[in-house]
Amino acid sequence: QTVVTQEPSFSVSPGGTVTLTCGLKSGSVSTSHYPTWYQQTPGQAPRTLIYSTNTRSSGVPDRFSGSILGNQAALTITGAQADDESDYYCVLYVGSGISVFGTGTKVTVL
Amino acid sequence: QVQLQESGPGLVKPSETLSLTCTVSGGSISSPSYYWGWIRQPPGKGLEWIGSLYYNSGSTYYNPSLKSRVTISVDTSKNQFSLKLSSVTAIDTAVYLCARWDPRGGSYYFDYWGQGTLVTVSS
Repeated sequence: QTVVTQEPSFSVSPGGTVTLTCGLKSGSVSTSHYPTWYQQTPGQAPRTLIYSTNTRSSGVPDRFSGSILGNQAALTITGAQADDESDYYCVLYVGSGISVFGTGTKVTVL
Repeated sequence: QVQLQESGPGLVKPSETLSLTCTVSGGSISSPSYYWGWIRQPPGKGLEWIGSLYYNSGSTYYNPSLKSRVTISVDTSKNQFSLKLSSVTAIDTAVYLCARWDPRGGSYYFDYWGQGTLVTVSS
């Protein structure tokens, strides 16, 4: 069974930069996994930030960027703002119509 | 603007079958461009993909860990798709969300989501 790993939590200062990562317990993440990043606040449906590794969804501020760093997918928030305090999930497409969600990272801005 | 809305019982007894429906508006469920899927989130925990359906081929795709208990189907006359999860236990208690999956141009992501509905498994 495919396991997608993320850091449990991160803290960032307002205006600071944070990079969240998304890895595979076995193997490397590549663009062929079409990494997607979602932002979720309590009680709300997820909001798409980044899809296909590094494409920002419509209306997403350019302080959010996606990339591949080494053998992991990464989401970087540059110039963090208070309303970036949320849970962040990555999703990898592993083929045969199957998507796997990561464990999620809780980001605190303080 | 595409909108999705989940509906179904909020309480299901252990060992019974959970049944939910997702009604799609603002777009056709029989569009050849998109898949339709279900995701769930236990209280205080992360998101889990349950499965997806592609109407045009009739193909369904399920999370291997749930495959033996899950069925996703479509009703084009009502522009709806449905989820059935059999033999439920307390660990199936979760918010269940439906979503549209866009594979066009190598996107492969859920672009529109319902708000979710909480299903509690309890006697």
